Amino acid sequence: KQEVTQIPAALSVPEGENLVLNCSFTDSAIYNLQWFRQDPGKGLTSLLLIQSSQREQTSGRLNASLDKSSGRSTLYIAASQPGDSATYLCAVRGGATNKLIFGTGTLLAVQP
Amino acid sequence: NAGVTQTPKFQVLKTGQSMTLQCAQDMNHEYMSWYRQDPGMGLRLIHYSVGAGITDQGEVPNGYNVSRSTTEDFPLRLLSAAPSQTSVYFCASSYFGSYEQYFGPGTRLTVT
Repeated sequence: KQEVTQIPAALSVPEGENLVLNCSFTDSAIYNLQWFRQDPGKGLTSLLLIQSSQREQTSGRLNASLDKSSGRSTLYIAASQPGDSATYLCAVRGGATNKLIFGTGTLLAVQP
Repeated sequence: NAGVTQTPKFQVLKTGQSMTLQCAQDMNHEYMSWYRQDPGMGLRLIHYSVGAGITDQGEVPNGYNVSRSTTEDFPLRLLSAAPSQTSVYFCASSYFGSYEQYFGPGTRLTVT
């Protein structure tokens, strides 16, 4: 059964720092991996989608990498800002259907 | 495009009452799904649909029913609400295949 883990559960950094959020999964037979942002009391906003054949995707200050063989993905946030404060979730699509298996998230606080 | 919309935003039910959570999307997506989000548990899949007339169970289907009569709508029915169904419910949609999934803003349900 696919399990997705995110470490750390919470992270606090000063503004301007570069940071890395980690996501690991137990079954490497995935179709893709998606990173989401969730603000308090809100829905999920998709940040990046990495297909199983890709190694990384970039969007602005965000860069996500995927190492399928080791079951890991990282989300790199450059020059963090207070507006980046949110919970970041990763989810893997593990089969021929579109079902997503989610991690429990990393709560990020960027201090001004 | 309105994207994925959900109603209501908030709902309080008494144990044993029934209700329907509404979800609609205007992107002509074949795939729609319902998740619940509980503290410390992440998001878990309740039911999903790969097209009109086709539905299937996810990880936690007990106590919930779904139907998909049109491409646009995918309602979730609670037949007899229980306190264990207190949660935040999210609807998602995507094209079928290795595509990005889009989430609605959520419905916060409390069962007393």
